[in-house]
Amino acid sequence: ETGVTQSPTHLIKTRGQQVTLRCSSQSGHNTVSWYQQALGQGPQFIFQYYREEENGRGNFPPRFSGLQFPNYSSELNVNALELDDSALYLCASSVLGGASIQYFGPGTRLLVL
Amino acid sequence: GIQVEQSPPDLILQEGANSTLRCNFSDSVNNLQWFHQNPWGQLINLFYIPSGTKQNGRLSATTVATERYSLLYISSSQTTDSGVYFCAVDYLQGGSEKLVFGKGTKLTVNP
Repeated sequence: ETGVTQSPTHLIKTRGQQVTLRCSSQSGHNTVSWYQQALGQGPQFIFQYYREEENGRGNFPPRFSGLQFPNYSSELNVNALELDDSALYLCASSVLGGASIQYFGPGTRLLVL
Repeated sequence: GIQVEQSPPDLILQEGANSTLRCNFSDSVNNLQWFHQNPWGQLINLFYIPSGTKQNGRLSATTVATERYSLLYISSSQTTDSGVYFCAVDYLQGGSEKLVFGKGTKLTVNP
């Protein structure tokens, strides 16, 4: 086990709704990254948070937003859900500037109907 | 941006066989990680290997950074080795260290 936890494990939403996913990072890690994995694809980088600020973003629209808290846990928020947002959402924790090894949580499966 | 290509996309083996998975990348990287994704979606770290060779039991990996490729070797495969294997390169962009993944190799090991 990596020590990275995510909640909930599964979620079903309808188009247009909003969703919040949560991630607790591994002890001692100061950076959280979020990835989206569509069926049959590799994970795609959404964004990274370091010291409670966004520290880099992939090719995702602004309706994908996040937060990092003082205890380094993090949230991913998605507004105005679309069918294509159905995916496995993975968070990874690491130490920025360290060995850069990212450790992943078990993921949240989101289905948008 | 950087491109990561994995081959083969699919691999079917009989238990006990050996296999080699390849990962090519198009630019210099800070590091490279190999993962095994189990059927429940958990990404399990196998190797952190920016260069050189590492071994862990029946698995070993080699990265030749100057030639921009990495290889994952699985010896004496077992049914529990089934799943999708990803390589991911750590690409420093604007201060963030993001992992760029290949599309994976789906390994099926039959008894």
